[in-house]
Parts: sequence; C-alpha cells; structure tokens
Amino acid sequence: KNEVEQSPQNLTAQEGEFITINCSYSVGISALHWLQQHPGGGIVSLFMLSSGKKKHGRLIATINIQEKHSSLHITASHPRDSAVYICAGGGATNKLIFGTGTLLAVQP
Amino acid sequence: DAGVIQSPRHEVTEMGQEVTLRCKPISGHNSLFWYRQTMMRGLELLIYFNNNVPIDDSGMPEDRFSAKMPNASFSTLKIQPSEPRDSAVYFCASSQTGFIYEQYFGPGTRLTVT
Repeated sequence: KNEVEQSPQNLTAQEGEFITINCSYSVGISALHWLQQHPGGGIVSLFMLSSGKKKHGRLIATINIQEKHSSLHITASHPRDSAVYICAGGGATNKLIFGTGTLLAVQP
Repeated sequence: DAGVIQSPRHEVTEMGQEVTLRCKPISGHNSLFWYRQTMMRGLELLIYFNNNVPIDDSGMPEDRFSAKMPNASFSTLKIQPSEPRDSAVYFCASSQTGFIYEQYFGPGTRLTVT
C-alpha cells in the first residue's frame, strides 16, 4: 500500500481556472515535496514543506500536519501549467515516497 | 551551478550489453539518489548515497544493477547484462542530507534496450 496517495489522477481545466491537487500521506512522513514534470521532460522541485503554506508566483502549497494532507493550488491556470504533478513524502531518512502523480491538462 | 548533470541523455543498446549511466551532483550536496521512471511503475528509488556511502539499495531490482560513488562529484549506475525490461528513464538527483531539503533532479537518461 502506497503511503502517499494523490488525487485526482487526471485533471482537465480551462485556462484561467483555479486548480487544486490533493495529497494524503501516512504516519512517518514529516515533509511533503511537490514536483512538476512536463511531458518528456525533467523533474523540477516546486516546494518542500513541513508546515504551513508556501507561495511561488501562481503556485501555492499548503500542508495540514494533523490531517496528514497537503494541497497544491494553481491560480489563473495557463496551458503551460500542463504537466504531471507529483507529491512525495520524506521521513526520518532521505528517502522519498512518491504518489502516482496527477496529469494536468489546461486547455486554452 | 550547472545543476545535476547526467550522461548520456539517450542510450540505445542491445539485450545483453553492459550499460553505464553517469551522474555529477551539485557541488556541496552530499546526498545522491538514483531513480527509475516507467509508465507502469512511476518513479522508483533504486539507491541513495550519503557522503559517498550507499545507505539504502533495497530498490535495486536485481544483481544485474550496481551503483558506485567513488567521490563526491561522480556516481555511476551500471546494468550488466541489460534486458528489454530495463528500458526506462533513469534520473539522478542530489540534495543536502536530510528530508527537509529539496532534491534537484538531473535531466534523465532515456534507456532503450532492444
């Protein structure tokens, strides 16, 4: 059983829409990473957070430690945001446990 | 810094051949990770090093796979002999040691074994 669960698996949005991707994780995970991968491309780390909220441009990541839940929000979505978004949990070691990813398509 | 550097970017080889993938981590990072990504299984950790020492190789699929990190600026992942099911994208990533640090990924090596 994967210790990191993501939803939805696939998401289609219209340009300009507000997007939310969710991630739930199990006991033992102390930090949550959000990664972005464009089709055929490399992997970019967007955020690492262990509490609270972080913002970078139109991207916002939040984490609720009590509920073991994190969300990635994209405001004013754009076709260039189309990518796979992956959440990954880190614990006492350096190892990351990956979610299955969310394939986002933003249509113009 | 140039980021994590991987070579080659693409490798096509025949079954049974030896394949060596190379990685140069970001200077100052003392943790290095090798991942494999396939459509079926997503991203999987193969092995990671702290300060050039292998810490966890439980993700290495079988004895055909081996990884080394002879110094802080270089690591290799070797597959011998290669099989078609090894076809995947192999990523190397580096970070400072500790789960609170972001991992920086290389561009990946796309391996095709025919």
